[in-house]
Amino acid sequence: QSVLTQPPSVSGAPGQRVTISCAGSSSNLGAGYDAHWYQQLPGRAPKLLIYGNNNRPSGVPDRFSGSRSGTSASLAITGLQADDEAVYYCQSYDINLVDSWVFGGGTKLTVL
Amino acid sequence: QITLKESGPTLVKPTQTLTLTCTFSGFSLTTSGVGVVWIRQPPGKALEWLALIYWNDDKLYSPTLKSRLTIAKDTSKNQVVFTMTNMDPVDTATYYCAHRADGSYSNYWGQGTLVTVS
Repeated sequence: QSVLTQPPSVSGAPGQRVTISCAGSSSNLGAGYDAHWYQQLPGRAPKLLIYGNNNRPSGVPDRFSGSRSGTSASLAITGLQADDEAVYYCQSYDINLVDSWVFGGGTKLTVL
Repeated sequence: QITLKESGPTLVKPTQTLTLTCTFSGFSLTTSGVGVVWIRQPPGKALEWLALIYWNDDKLYSPTLKSRLTIAKDTSKNQVVFTMTNMDPVDTATYYCAHRADGSYSNYWGQGTLVTVS
């Protein structure tokens, strides 16, 4: 059971907008710790998608955006493309678990 | 250009100790704020953070696995060594090392190495 809770799956048609939620608690996101998002394509290592809640590393399209509010965070993908099909993970920091990094359980995005 | 690569055994027996090495380039583990993390992923499952070593040799471990883990750095070789004792089949996973950016996230990852316990 992951400390951060994500929906197991989401789906959308090409061109549509989807959002992926990440629910935390007062010891991680609610304590003000940042949310970070990773994209994992099949058989590949995770790739940083969003850091510090809403910042994109160089090379990540602006179709990807993030936000954090209270004890939760979300990732939005607009203009959905076939190669966005992947598993997405949120990650933060938790002070209750003796200063640990924590991940969500991952959300499988299917492009219909 | 930052790169990291994991190396070590692909198969270990139950109760044995796993030792993995992360060899990196493009950054120094003597630079303030820098760290290297180990993360694993059982087949078909989610990512799990294991350990982190900072530039100043501070270390953090997953509280659920702390008693079994050790992380150490060799700055002269640009390597980080990770050990996990008393391996069990449930520890079968792909083990990743990654660069820890100043902000507690990983912006560069190794390709991962699959370790099977059997």
